[in-house]
Amino acid sequence: DAGVTQSPTHLIKTRGQHVTLRCSPISGHKSVSWYQQVLGQGPQFIFQYYEKEERGRGNFPDRFSARQFPNYSSELNVNALLLGDSALYLCASSSNDRGRATGELFFGEGSRLTVL
Amino acid sequence: RKEVEQDPGPFNVPEGATVAFNCTYSNSASQSFFWYRQDCRKEPKLLMSVYSSGNEDGRFTAQLNRASQYISLLIRDSKLSDSATYLCVVDPYNFNKFYFGSGTKLNVKP
Repeated sequence: DAGVTQSPTHLIKTRGQHVTLRCSPISGHKSVSWYQQVLGQGPQFIFQYYEKEERGRGNFPDRFSARQFPNYSSELNVNALLLGDSALYLCASSSNDRGRATGELFFGEGSRLTVL
Repeated sequence: RKEVEQDPGPFNVPEGATVAFNCTYSNSASQSFFWYRQDCRKEPKLLMSVYSSGNEDGRFTAQLNRASQYISLLIRDSKLSDSATYLCVVDPYNFNKFYFGSGTKLNVKP
């Protein structure tokens, strides 16, 4: 079975540009979360979606947005990129039951964004 | 104050050593606790959940102290393959919104 897949794996953008990152969860998982991991730090929560509804948002500016599609895949969008947005963006899926946590998050390999 | 704090290390230990990592969390109402492992330039993967009664999985033992808001991970008989960063994770609201520590790097040397 396929795990969580993310695309693109690597990308380079310049300040002020916009980026869209994509994620496909494990088949059967209805919850998708996005995390930002800056070098040397642990992942930081950005968004969680369950059944296409936003269920949680971390402490990130409005330049960050996301959505979940009927097939449970998800997109993370970042506008007006800053140098500080350079990071590994991780998508994770989980098998929440009616929105309640069941424990494990399964992460994709991430999208490594460099902003020049 | 950060939600989860842990010693960044690195911990440099010889093969066969026993090593312990500690982590503290700020939200006393937190319900779910985990240790994740992250290899260099890879995604985090669940190592083990942490239960109130403590739990063991082979060479790995996790403990939770709710009174002190403290989580620990003990690795016995360290292997070279244990070299990685170990992330302490708390889910305060039991909703898969995880708070990660900054990670503790372990280097096991021959």
